[in-house]
Amino acid sequence: GAGVSQSPRYKVAKRGQDVALRCDPISGHVSLFWYQQALGQGPEFLTYFQNEAQLDKSGLPSDRFFAERPEGSVSTLKIQRTQQEDSAVYLCASSLILSQETQYFGPGTRLLVL
Amino acid sequence: KQEVTQIPAALSVPEGENLVLNCSFTDSAIYNLQWFRQDPGKGLTSLLLIQSSQREQTSGRLNASLDKSSGRSTLYIAASQPGDSATYLCAVRFGGTSYGKLTFGQGTILTVHP
Repeated sequence: GAGVSQSPRYKVAKRGQDVALRCDPISGHVSLFWYQQALGQGPEFLTYFQNEAQLDKSGLPSDRFFAERPEGSVSTLKIQRTQQEDSAVYLCASSLILSQETQYFGPGTRLLVL
Repeated sequence: KQEVTQIPAALSVPEGENLVLNCSFTDSAIYNLQWFRQDPGKGLTSLLLIQSSQREQTSGRLNASLDKSSGRSTLYIAASQPGDSATYLCAVRFGGTSYGKLTFGQGTILTVHP
């Protein structure tokens, strides 16, 4: 079946613009994660959804970052008033249940803020 | 603070060599540890998942070991090939969360030259 998809794959924004990044998880997957990966670094956790409930947003770097998953499937990560330090690859991952299963990652959205 | 560290940061080897990548983590209370592969511009592909009760996992030319007491894991790649060139990431699911939030190391960039 289809894997995790993300769109757009690349986004260039001017500083101060708002952006919205979309994640389509694998159908039926309960858990959805967002990670931020800076150049040359490993991914860092941003937020977690169980179905439509956002259970952990402790990794969001500021109140400019907002994520939602209103129907428990597609998720959107929104960044308001983008700053240059927001430039990174944003990865989405999903897993079937809460237990110890592996997470399946999408290809990421590469955001460049000028 | 729960942290994951990988050494070396980069490794270049000739084709055919056996090699070892290292991962260390600060808290021995873990649920599991995963090794991922990341190709440029691509998402993460899970290679091996070791549960906390296991000591090692094998898949083809890959073997991963886990020593919780010392906070270490190694990924052994036998008979390396140019196609193995990629960034290898170690990720730990630490205890204390009821879901699969992962903490990543910064990665090891592997280059296998013909």
